[in-house]
Amino acid sequence: DAKTTQPPSMDCAEGRAANLPCNHSTISGNEYVYWYRQIHSQGPQYIIHGLKNNETNEMASLIITEDRKSSTLILPHATLRDTAVYYCIVRVGLYNQGGKLIFGQGTELSVKP
Amino acid sequence: AAGVIQSPRHLIKEKRETATLKCYPIPRHDTVYWYQQGPGQDPQFLISFYEKMQSDKGSIPDRFSAQQFSDYHSELNMSSLELGDSALYFCASSEVRFLGETKNIQYFGAGTRLSVL
Repeated sequence: DAKTTQPPSMDCAEGRAANLPCNHSTISGNEYVYWYRQIHSQGPQYIIHGLKNNETNEMASLIITEDRKSSTLILPHATLRDTAVYYCIVRVGLYNQGGKLIFGQGTELSVKP
Repeated sequence: AAGVIQSPRHLIKEKRETATLKCYPIPRHDTVYWYQQGPGQDPQFLISFYEKMQSDKGSIPDRFSAQQFSDYHSELNMSSLELGDSALYFCASSEVRFLGETKNIQYFGAGTRLSVL
């Protein structure tokens, strides 16, 4: 699975959009980009994933560059409850078996009032 | 919606004792994963099971073993506990589909906090 690089920490004002970048320059054509977050000592929580098209769900939007070497997770209106460590994970999404998640450093997002 | 259930939530053991952690996946999920998160560290993959067969193995010590039962629940057995085994242990489950769309989304339980004294 491709390696990812994320900034170690970011701040965001409450109510503003939080844009979390991730570099994955060695990504392969069949690898997906997944985002998870972990609020202090809780189980990691799935946010969103994508292959090459931009994706949006009720939690966030995922913007993947055309060359797929980087992506940005967007939380449109951050709240204090979005304070967490955000992990960008690139992996092959095999349809016939599960696959482990390799958690890297992640970005610690602090949402401030 | 039903979530992944882990028990117990907290466990305190002495060195050299054994511990058994249990995980009940989301209904219809066929794959279970175990992760270990030490203090101040990121979660590390231990082992996974797909349809009751071991599907992948990470940095799991030989003192640890796990299995998935016919009802898809899983147990992580840890023997000869060491101080360094003190950690959060997360179980996750996913449903792998043969419908063309690859999701492979893992849903995590709340974890078991193991303290070895």
